[in-house]
Amino acid sequence: GAVVSQHPSWVICKSGTSVKIECRSLDFQATTMFWYRQFPKQSLMLMATSNEGSKATYEQGVEKDKFLINHASLTLSTLTVTSAHPEDSSFYICSASPGTSGGTDTQYFGPGTRLTVL
Amino acid sequence: AQKITQTQPGMFVQEKEAVTLDCTYDTSDPSYGLFWYKQPSSGEMIFLIYQGSYDQQNATEGRYSLNFQKARKSANLVISASQLGDSAMYFCAMREGQAGNNRKLIWGLGTSLAVNP
Repeated sequence: GAVVSQHPSWVICKSGTSVKIECRSLDFQATTMFWYRQFPKQSLMLMATSNEGSKATYEQGVEKDKFLINHASLTLSTLTVTSAHPEDSSFYICSASPGTSGGTDTQYFGPGTRLTVL
Repeated sequence: AQKITQTQPGMFVQEKEAVTLDCTYDTSDPSYGLFWYKQPSSGEMIFLIYQGSYDQQNATEGRYSLNFQKARKSANLVISASQLGDSAMYFCAMREGQAGNNRKLIWGLGTSLAVNP
């Protein structure tokens, strides 16, 4: 149980184009999903917290107009990188929690999306 | 100040031996949770083990156990009988406050573990 999928697993795009990444919880509902960015050999950097039916909460320094997040349902959140530039090239990974049963709110992660902007 | 500190950038262990990965944390909240994740070279983050601040016993999950020393604010991960497939990055993370849907995790910088045959 607690499987999270992410699509696409990798994408190459031209500078100036927009890229949409999907994050789905396959066997549970998630009112909250998290979007992270990870640079090579570094830790995870939280970008935003995505809430179903409401606006996402962005971390300081993350441009909300650049990284559009839509949490359309209890099983789907999308991250759109608008007008992508080479500096947006990174590994993007999402997570979701099935809830707080058992006293824990463990986040389960998708396999990640490797974005390369040419 | 770092809230999660992993002091070992890299570790080596011989196959079949046990290894301890260090994690210390800093919080003034009496309620918190500690997590360990494994990230192989493929990039996926795999949840390994969880310890709540009020848990009386150390958490165990198969070959993984968490050496929770609350007074010292440490939550070391112990991997017994190391296997080649254990070679990966290992991250320690903390949730401050009680479990909840919107709770963010605070991440350590990770430890790279290499298991030698």
